[in-house]
Amino acid sequence: EVQLVESGGGLVQPGGSLRLSCSASGFSFSTRWMSWVRQAPGKGLEWVVNMKYDGSEISYVDSVRGRFTVSRDNAKSSLYLQMNSLRVDDTAVYYCVRMGGLEARRTADQWGLGTLVIVSS
Amino acid sequence: IQMTQSPSSVSASVGDRVTITCRASQGVSTWLAWYQQQPGRALKLLIYGASTLQSGVPSRFSGSGSGTDFTLTISSLQPEDFATYYCQQGGGFPYTFGQGTRLEIK
Repeated sequence: EVQLVESGGGLVQPGGSLRLSCSASGFSFSTRWMSWVRQAPGKGLEWVVNMKYDGSEISYVDSVRGRFTVSRDNAKSSLYLQMNSLRVDDTAVYYCVRMGGLEARRTADQWGLGTLVIVSS
Repeated sequence: IQMTQSPSSVSASVGDRVTITCRASQGVSTWLAWYQQQPGRALKLLIYGASTLQSGVPSRFSGSGSGTDFTLTISSLQPEDFATYYCQQGGGFPYTFGQGTRLEIK
């Protein structure tokens, strides 16, 4: 069974930093693109970043580029999101997602339950 | 690429047929997916490639369209289908979602 478990969320002041982690199991992590998607409270979904299975390709949404950094450790089947210079509008549930393969490769075929990040003074 | 879903909410009864539409601000070919979100549960991929049913998804769900106009149809609503549905385009990064359609019990 595929599982994606996020951790690291919490309350942080504007300008602060936070590091999210995602522990993956039940599939070959090192062969799959992975992403982070976020959802502000009561709002819709926003795709934050994509990362290729070997880390050689990364794409960020404009609103986080230069502030957020994604990384992965294939030996530990883990995905990370380092978030710096956090803003109030970064408040959201952050989901770790697995990208689909082949014809589904531009979709998220597995989602975690998310971790809540609150940016507030 | 902006995605516009309609309606934003719909009330329906068990057994009804429901259609949700999604329009892209520019062509995305068939790089279109549909997801279901229910409280306390992980989001679920229903359809990818505009019309391909994800493994394990009931056949009452179907998708169609290409280019800019897409639809998700649930042929006969079941109690477990009441949820929020999102479309998502993969035609260009950043991938973007529609604002969601909340399907409620009438």
